[in-house]
Amino acid sequence: AQSVTQPDIHITVSEGASLELRCNYSYGATPYLFWYVQSPGQGLQLLLKYFSGDTLVQGIKGFEAEFKRSQSSFNLRKPSVHWSDAAEYFCAVGPRGSSYKLIFGSGTRLLVRP
Amino acid sequence: GAVVSQHPSWVICKSGTSVKIECRSLDFQATTMFWYRQFPKQSLMLMATSNEGSKATYEQGVEKDKFLINHASLTLSTLTVTSAHPEDSSFYICSARVRLEEQFFGPGTRLTVL
Repeated sequence: AQSVTQPDIHITVSEGASLELRCNYSYGATPYLFWYVQSPGQGLQLLLKYFSGDTLVQGIKGFEAEFKRSQSSFNLRKPSVHWSDAAEYFCAVGPRGSSYKLIFGSGTRLLVRP
Repeated sequence: GAVVSQHPSWVICKSGTSVKIECRSLDFQATTMFWYRQFPKQSLMLMATSNEGSKATYEQGVEKDKFLINHASLTLSTLTVTSAHPEDSSFYICSARVRLEEQFFGPGTRLTVL
C-alpha cells in the first residue's frame, strides 16, 4: 500500500540550531516528492519538490531536502532555524507525471525555542 | 506564483443547515481542483477531485450526497456541506492543479457546526 511516514510528531529545536525532519515513503515506483509547510489556521505552502535529477533539492526559506532512493526517504533540512519556522510540516508523494491524489504524511510540528 | 483563495475563511452554522465553501484560482485557470479535509492535529485527507464541466470524483468513504461539489467554471469550485452536523466540523482545504505535477493550496475554511 502507498503510504508516507513522518515518524516525528513533534520536534523542538533552539533558534539557530540545525533541523532535520524525516520522511519515508512506500510507493510502487519513485514518486514525485513534496514538502509543504502549514502555519496555524492556514493552508499549505510548497517548500520544495523533487521530480528527477539532482537528489539534493533547494527550496524556499533556506530549506533543502535530499532524496535517497535506497532508503525511500526524503528528509527536510535547514542549517539554522528561525523562530518564524515554527509550523506544521507535511511530506507528500504523488504519482510521476501528475500531482493527482497526493498522499500526505501525518505531519511534524516544529517548535522553536528562543 | 499561483494564488488560490477560499471563502469564507471560517463559518459557524447550526446543525441541519447547509454551508457552501468557494475555492477560486485568482490568476490562472484550473481544470482540476481538489478538496481536502483536515481534522485537528491530523493530516489532509483527499475528499474529492473536481473537474470543470464534469462530475466530481469522490474518494472511498466520502458521501457524495453530503458533500456536493460543483466546478462550474475554470476558476471556481464549490463544496456544499448539506445538512451539516457537528461531526462535519473540520478544516476544509482546496487546491488547484497548476501543472500536471503541482497543486497550489487555498488558505482553508474552518467549519464549526453547533
